[in-house]
Amino acid sequence: NAGVTQTPKFQVLKTGQSMTLQCAQDMNHEYMSWYRQDPGMGLRLIHYSVGAGITDQGEVPNGYNVSRSTTEDFPLRLLSAAPSQTSVYFCASSYRPDRYYEQYFGPGTRLTVT
Amino acid sequence: GDSVTQMEGPVTLSEEAFLTINCTYTATGYPSLFWYVQYPGEGLQLLLKATKADDKGSNKGFEATYRKETTSFHLEKGSVQVSDSAVYFCALKTPGAGSYQLTFGKGTKLSVIP
Repeated sequence: NAGVTQTPKFQVLKTGQSMTLQCAQDMNHEYMSWYRQDPGMGLRLIHYSVGAGITDQGEVPNGYNVSRSTTEDFPLRLLSAAPSQTSVYFCASSYRPDRYYEQYFGPGTRLTVT
Repeated sequence: GDSVTQMEGPVTLSEEAFLTINCTYTATGYPSLFWYVQYPGEGLQLLLKATKADDKGSNKGFEATYRKETTSFHLEKGSVQVSDSAVYFCALKTPGAGSYQLTFGKGTKLSVIP
């Protein structure tokens, strides 16, 4: 049982490049989400999914796309990277989205856009 | 909207000192409240939670009590250790359909020195 895994751990992009951050969980969780963590800002929700084929926007969705074709995987796509997207990205999952269930976080991807 | 305010750090304590990290919140309805901990270079881990007023969450010597009258969820530990050095996040999740977001405070960095 690996929990929530994320790849890559580190990435450097040039402005305008695109890339996909991978996230996978092996706990059969319905709910998955992506957060970004910036200094002094806490974590902010980018996108989330309540099941395969269902996604929705969070607080800061601009510049990011997601899809959920399987229960296990929830990739985050940066369409055209900008320096403002330099951040640490965390994927999280929980059995159900409601308030009683703990969210499990991956180890994070540190992204730098130059 | 929902919000979480926690004391700004960094906080530096000597080993065996008493720890309090203040957290207050604004939310509609009756949220669940959480403390997450992030050790250096890692993702977030749930430390403790409380789902209704007057509940006390506890784990690893840490405690926090859900105080509805003061809208607070302060984190305490009687005797900190060097291994407690980390960033601590207070968070809430409000009940109800369509409400899937964990709202985080900005985090408080704790450093414990021998």
